[in-house]
Amino acid sequence: QLQLQESGPGLVKPSETLSLTCAVSGDSISSSNWWTWVRQPPGKGLEWIGEFYHSGRTNYNPSLKSRVTISVDNSKNQFSLNLSSVTAADTAVYYCARVQGGCSYSSCYVDPWGQGTLVTVSS
Amino acid sequence: EIVLTQSPGTLSLSPGERATLSCRASQSISSSYLAWYQQKPGQAPRLLIYGASSRATGIPDRFSGSGSGTDFTLTISRLEPEDFAVYYCQLYGSSPLYTFGQGTKLEIK
Repeated sequence: QLQLQESGPGLVKPSETLSLTCAVSGDSISSSNWWTWVRQPPGKGLEWIGEFYHSGRTNYNPSLKSRVTISVDNSKNQFSLNLSSVTAADTAVYYCARVQGGCSYSSCYVDPWGQGTLVTVSS
Repeated sequence: EIVLTQSPGTLSLSPGERATLSCRASQSISSSYLAWYQQKPGQAPRLLIYGASSRATGIPDRFSGSGSGTDFTLTISRLEPEDFAVYYCQLYGSSPLYTFGQGTKLEIK
C-alpha cells in the first residue's frame, strides 16, 4: 500500500527558504506517475504548488513558479519541495501526493495524500 | 484560467438525508478531469470521485458524481454521521494545472 510522509521544519523565518521532503513507500518514485505538492493555509482551501515526473519534467503553479523547486532523490525514493523567500502568507499545511490517471489522455486526480505537515512562517 | 465555484458554502442536514453539492466551472470542461475529495478536520483530503462519476476504491455507493459541461454534482444519498466534512471539487488541465473549488462544508443540522 502506497504511503507518503512529509517531513521538515515546522517553523521558518520570513525571507528564508522552506524545505520539505516526502518519503514514499509502497511505490517507486520512478514509476509512471507524477508526484505533487499541495498546500492549505489554516482554515482555507487547497492550493496546488507543483508536480514532477521521474524523467525530470516539472510543472509549477504560475503564482509560485518563481520561488518553487521540486526535486527528486531516486536513491532514497523521496522528493522534495523548496519554496524561497517565504512570507507569512506561505504558512500552511503542506501535503505531498501521487497523481493518478492518464492525465494527457484520461482522468487526472490526486491519490493518495500524505498526512500533511504544518509549516509556520514567523520570526 | 477556469474558476470552480462550489455551492452552497455550508450545507446543514441531518443523518439519513440526501446531500447535493454543486461545482460550477466558469467555462465548459471535460468531465474526465473533474474530481471530488472529502476532508475531515485534521486529516488530508481523500479522493471520492474521479472522471466526474467514477467512485474511487473503497468509497461507499451512497456517494455519486454526475454532470457535464460547466455543472457538476456530488450526491450523498443517505448521510451517515461520518460524512459530515468539507468537500472539494478539482479540475485538471487549466492554469494552474490543478484547480480546486473553495469547498462546501457539510455540517450536522
